[in-house]
Amino acid sequence: NAGVTQTPKFQVLKTGQSMTLQCAQDMNHNSMYWYRQDPGMGLRLIYYSASEGTTDKGEVPNGYNVSRLNKREFSLRLESAAPSQTSVYFCASSEALGGGANTGELFFGEGSRLTVL
Amino acid sequence: AQKVTQAQTEISVVEKEDVTLDCVYETRDTTYYLFWYKQPPSGELVFLIRRNSFDEQNEISGRYSWNFQKSTSSFNFTITASQVVDSAVYFCALTDYKLSFGAGTTVTVRA
Repeated sequence: NAGVTQTPKFQVLKTGQSMTLQCAQDMNHNSMYWYRQDPGMGLRLIYYSASEGTTDKGEVPNGYNVSRLNKREFSLRLESAAPSQTSVYFCASSEALGGGANTGELFFGEGSRLTVL
Repeated sequence: AQKVTQAQTEISVVEKEDVTLDCVYETRDTTYYLFWYKQPPSGELVFLIRRNSFDEQNEISGRYSWNFQKSTSSFNFTITASQVVDSAVYFCALTDYKLSFGAGTTVTVRA
């Protein structure tokens, strides 16, 4: 079982360049998420997708766009990378998203380390 | 808005000592779930436990135990007889519609 797969695992960009982080899950989960992890700040939600065809902003969406391509795939795009976006990015998925009833454990990918020079 | 506070940034212990990680949360919801995740040096996030807001029973799993107290909005985690392999960053998290993480506590267990 692959679980949640993220690519690439490492990337170095120059300021202003664009790139897309890819994420795919094989657990037939409805909900998918993108988090970023910075030292001392835990994981912060960038965007999430409750189900195929829907996306919503999380805590720190500025500078990012997402696409829920199908049920399996959820991509994160940086249109014009900035040094402040240097971080480790985690994709996650869960069975369901529910207001006050989210029982689902999140399954995380291995992370993508992005450096913006 | 929901919030998770892990006041301890770093804890260092000698092997076989017990270590307790504090987690305090804020939420307006009556139904919510609390989680602990472990992130070892290899970087992946490992699910440890989930508790719902209606179940305040403490739980023990091997050397791990959790103390959930709704009255103080706390969900503390204890590692008994710590081992070097327990060295990791531990995150407490809270969810209503999304999972919000605390800043994490780095645990270092020295041989």
